[in-house]
Amino acid sequence: AQSVTQPDIHITVSEGASLELRCNYSYGATPYLFWYVQSPGQGLQLLLKYFSGDTLVQGIKGFEAEFKRSQSSFNLRKPSVHWSDAAEYFCAVDNQGGKLIFGQGTELSVKP
Amino acid sequence: ETGVTQTPRHLVMGMTNKKSLKCEQHLGHNAMYWYKQSAKKPLELMFVYSLEERVENNSVPSRFSPECPNSSHLFLHLHTLQPEDSALYLCASSQARTGGYGYTFGSGTRLTVV
Repeated sequence: AQSVTQPDIHITVSEGASLELRCNYSYGATPYLFWYVQSPGQGLQLLLKYFSGDTLVQGIKGFEAEFKRSQSSFNLRKPSVHWSDAAEYFCAVDNQGGKLIFGQGTELSVKP
Repeated sequence: ETGVTQTPRHLVMGMTNKKSLKCEQHLGHNAMYWYKQSAKKPLELMFVYSLEERVENNSVPSRFSPECPNSSHLFLHLHTLQPEDSALYLCASSQARTGGYGYTFGSGTRLTVV
């Protein structure tokens, strides 16, 4: 069965520091991959997605993610974190049939 | 404007009340979803409607009753809820059976059961 694992439940980084959020998936073929962000009390907003082609994808708000087939990973990165990036981040996999499987989420806190 | 609108944004109800949550999408999607998000817990998929037919019901108690009258509207009818049902309820939509596009979420309804 497909699954998505986000190993870090909570991460704290200092403002201006770099960020990497981990995501591993289990799926037989190459899936479509997504990262979503959720601010407190809000819905989920799409940050970026991997569909095919270049394995490094750029998203909104300065985020990027790299698909690594050999590691079954799709880690989210940002070179310099801003206080407004504090939120919960969800990785998701699409089985190519349009249904998303979500990870458990990683809560990001940003220290001044 | 996300394209998926949920009303109300906040709802406080007693355990004996009956209320409904509404979700509306203007994206031309034909699949709609209800999720429950409790504090410190993962997203829980409750119901899936595809082409107006309920295709998934994940062991949700009968006090939650979904309705999808057309591809643009989704309701969640609530009755005799319990305090543990307090949560953020999220609606999402997508294009059914079309991979690669993801879901579009509404802003959610914050439900408090007293």
